[in-house]
Amino acid sequence: QKEVEQNSGPLSVPEGAIASLNCTYSDRGSQSFFWYRQYSGKSPELIMFIYSNGDKEDGRFTAQLNKASQYVSLLIRDSQPSDSATYLCAVKGPPLNTGNQFYFGTGTSLTVIP
Amino acid sequence: DAGVTQSPTHLIKTRGQQVTLRCSPKSGHDTVSWYQQALGQGPQFIFQYYEEEERQRGNFPDRFSGHQFPNYSSELNVNALLLGDSALYLCASSLGGGGLYDVRTDTQYFGPGTRLTVL
Repeated sequence: QKEVEQNSGPLSVPEGAIASLNCTYSDRGSQSFFWYRQYSGKSPELIMFIYSNGDKEDGRFTAQLNKASQYVSLLIRDSQPSDSATYLCAVKGPPLNTGNQFYFGTGTSLTVIP
Repeated sequence: DAGVTQSPTHLIKTRGQQVTLRCSPKSGHDTVSWYQQALGQGPQFIFQYYEEEERQRGNFPDRFSGHQFPNYSSELNVNALLLGDSALYLCASSLGGGGLYDVRTDTQYFGPGTRLTVL
């Protein structure tokens, strides 16, 4: 059973602060890693993907990957109230699988306090 | 550019009944994946269709079946509904045929979902 673990939160940060979201995964063969944002009552939307160890930055978002530790994180700088949502970590199954199967964590609820 | 659409938006059924949910992928996409999202949980992969065939299946019983049509739209069928089937059912479209580290095939666009309630 492939598992993706996230702290469900809720995580509260003041406006302008850095929000740090963490995720661990169990399958060492996993190759691709994704962060989705899901607003309450809405469907998930992809905000970041990362394939290689290290950091990847996109605007206020930075994804960090450490395959040795099987750890993925998402940093949100200058957090805004509009960032308040549930953040889902997703992992793509190892390449031996046919097709693209993604395994999602339970999500971390983030609240940015004005 | 039309995004992913799903119908119906909401559905109420009773135990033992059967249900069919529908999905039209984003224009240009040929792959459809179905997910079940229970309240407070992350999406759970049901199966994926590509070129009208089920290419990948998650850990769901045979009561869950699907179909993909030549125009790439897809249906999810659930037979003998149980109370535990109550959830948000999400359809995601993407491009198929890609390999490893292929952003085009890794990028999934989710539809708005169908909220199924089983009484």
